[in-house]
Amino acid sequence: AAGVIQSPRHLIKEKRETATLKCYPIPRHDTVYWYQQGPGQDPQFLISFYEKMQSDKGSIPDRFSAQQFSDYHSELNMSSLELGDSALYFCASSSWDRPNYGYTFGSGTRLTVV
Amino acid sequence: KQEVTQIPAALSVPEGENLVLNCSFTDSAIYNLQWFRQDPGKGLTSLLLIQSSQREQTSGRLNASLDKSSGRSTLYIAASQPGDSATYLCAALDTGRRALTFGSGTRLQVQP
Repeated sequence: AAGVIQSPRHLIKEKRETATLKCYPIPRHDTVYWYQQGPGQDPQFLISFYEKMQSDKGSIPDRFSAQQFSDYHSELNMSSLELGDSALYFCASSSWDRPNYGYTFGSGTRLTVV
Repeated sequence: KQEVTQIPAALSVPEGENLVLNCSFTDSAIYNLQWFRQDPGKGLTSLLLIQSSQREQTSGRLNASLDKSSGRSTLYIAASQPGDSATYLCAALDTGRRALTFGSGTRLQVQP
């Protein structure tokens, strides 16, 4: 079965650079969520989108932005990168009308800022 | 604001033991509670999903229970194996919002 696809798997950037992470949800899932997991930390919710509109916002820094496109894939744009942005970034998808069916997570993008 | 707590933070057991991981949450207004497994540096693998109306779910050697009124869930692992070594995370999905709130995880080491 198709899973949530994230790209790239690994990314190395320098401080103050920009990074773009991509997420392709499971077919027929219309809602996408972004999470950040720092070393030794639990995943922290950043932002979510339903039908191309932001549905909820968590602890996303102002330097980050995200959007969802008409094919439901989502991109997380990160600017002015800082060393503390080094983390594993997860995307998850679900069906908005079926929250009881749970989330499916992608394998994550490991971002290293040097 | 939902808060999820997991106890213990770390656990080391010999192979073959049965063990229980605990998860508690402060807001009982949830759609469901999900247990995940995470290997070091890897992604999140969903193990079990318990709906708010359910009391337990089973998959192989894993059994998860949910007591919504007391804000508790447990993950029972029978006959543990070295391959079970990983971090186990529980996460609650609130009815008020669609974002999962994660606990900080239990790091399990099963000694051969």
